[in-house]
Amino acid sequence: AQSVTQLDSQVPVFEEAPVELRCNYSSSVSVYLFWYVQYPNQGLQLLLKYLSGSTLVESINGFEAEFNKSQTSFHLRKPSVHISDTAEYFCAVSAPGGYQKVTFGIGTKLQVIP
Amino acid sequence: DAGVTQSPTHLIKTRGQQVTLRCSPKSGHDTVSWYQQALGQGPQFIFQYYEEEERQRGNFPDRFSGHQFPNYSSELNVNALLLGDSALYLCASSRQGIWSGELFFGEGSRLTVL
Repeated sequence: AQSVTQLDSQVPVFEEAPVELRCNYSSSVSVYLFWYVQYPNQGLQLLLKYLSGSTLVESINGFEAEFNKSQTSFHLRKPSVHISDTAEYFCAVSAPGGYQKVTFGIGTKLQVIP
Repeated sequence: DAGVTQSPTHLIKTRGQQVTLRCSPKSGHDTVSWYQQALGQGPQFIFQYYEEEERQRGNFPDRFSGHQFPNYSSELNVNALLLGDSALYLCASSRQGIWSGELFFGEGSRLTVL
């Protein structure tokens, strides 16, 4: 079975400052890793994903995450945040193939301060 | 192209009652997963339906049941409601055989049990 641990429940950061949201995973097999974002009163949407290949993956709005197998981590980073990035971010894990079950962490609330 | 749609968006029930939530998957998708998101928590996997059968199940009691119809839409039923069943119920769709790693979520049905 796979699981993820998000180390911070809330992260306040000033606008235009950098941010890192931490995620560690646990799995006995190879994994797919994801970051999903949830804006207030909305469902979740995929931000970025690691399936294989390059360990550094990027989103269209400036976020990036790096798969680190030795540290079993998949931290999310952005060099300069905007007010519009205020949301809850969920790290998630899945096993390749199978029935596409995705296991989510408890989430990290990113609060961007003007 | 319609995304995942869920109904109702909000509902209030009393303890002991039964509830049915509905989901229509994204066009072209044939697999539906249901998640429960309690306040301040990450989504918890309830079960997944494919080819009108329950394929996987999370750690939820038998009070939680589901169904998938030939048009791939799905229902989640919860019997004998408890106060702890109050949560946002999320439906996610995907396509078997082409697992890109992404689940497409609806905006959820918020259930309040009094």
